[in-house]
Amino acid sequence: DVKVTQSSRYLVKRTGEKVFLECVQDMDHENMFWYRQDPGLGLRLIYFSYDVKMKEKGDIPEGYSVSREKKERFSLILESASTNQTSMYLCATSRGYYERYFGPGTRLTVT
Amino acid sequence: GENVEQHPSTLSVQEGDSAVIKCTYSDSASNYFPWYKQELGKGPQLIIDIRSNVGEKKDQRIAVTLNKTAKHFSLHITETQPEDSAVYFCAASRVQAGTALIFGKGTTLSVSS
Repeated sequence: DVKVTQSSRYLVKRTGEKVFLECVQDMDHENMFWYRQDPGLGLRLIYFSYDVKMKEKGDIPEGYSVSREKKERFSLILESASTNQTSMYLCATSRGYYERYFGPGTRLTVT
Repeated sequence: GENVEQHPSTLSVQEGDSAVIKCTYSDSASNYFPWYKQELGKGPQLIIDIRSNVGEKKDQRIAVTLNKTAKHFSLHITETQPEDSAVYFCAASRVQAGTALIFGKGTTLSVSS
């Protein structure tokens, strides 16, 4: 079974803090994704990566950056957290173009 | 780019009834249409998908239909059970490098016994 783990289930940060969300997968998938989930807005793609050190912007990259130094790890960085970044963050992986395997999510609250 | 519309946003049915969720997409070149189920406290999980070379696919109580001419696809759940209660997302994409899966906004299905 594919396992996608996210570093925290719940996180509370203050406005202006730098926030790191970590995602680790154990199935050697080349593709990794960060989504944001908000009520009534569904799943929106922030960034994705097709290989180590490669990254592509998704639909809502503003205010975020990513890092992929190793194949199994994909980090989402909020350089200066703001209250409008309070959300559920979901990491996903895939081999090829088809099924995405999602982690359990990190609920981030920025106060 | 691709845009996916999903309806209804909420759906309540009695146990044993059928449930239908509909999605439309805008990019006529999209050729992959998965459906994900998200249970409370978990990440979404793929339940069924369809590729554009087929019009219908079934897996036990779940079926998906695709109408490429009209650019819409639907999820059908028959004989619903309380454990079907979840949020369901449709998605669409082209199967090619550099393209991302675009999700609908989700449907919250409640099955009451």
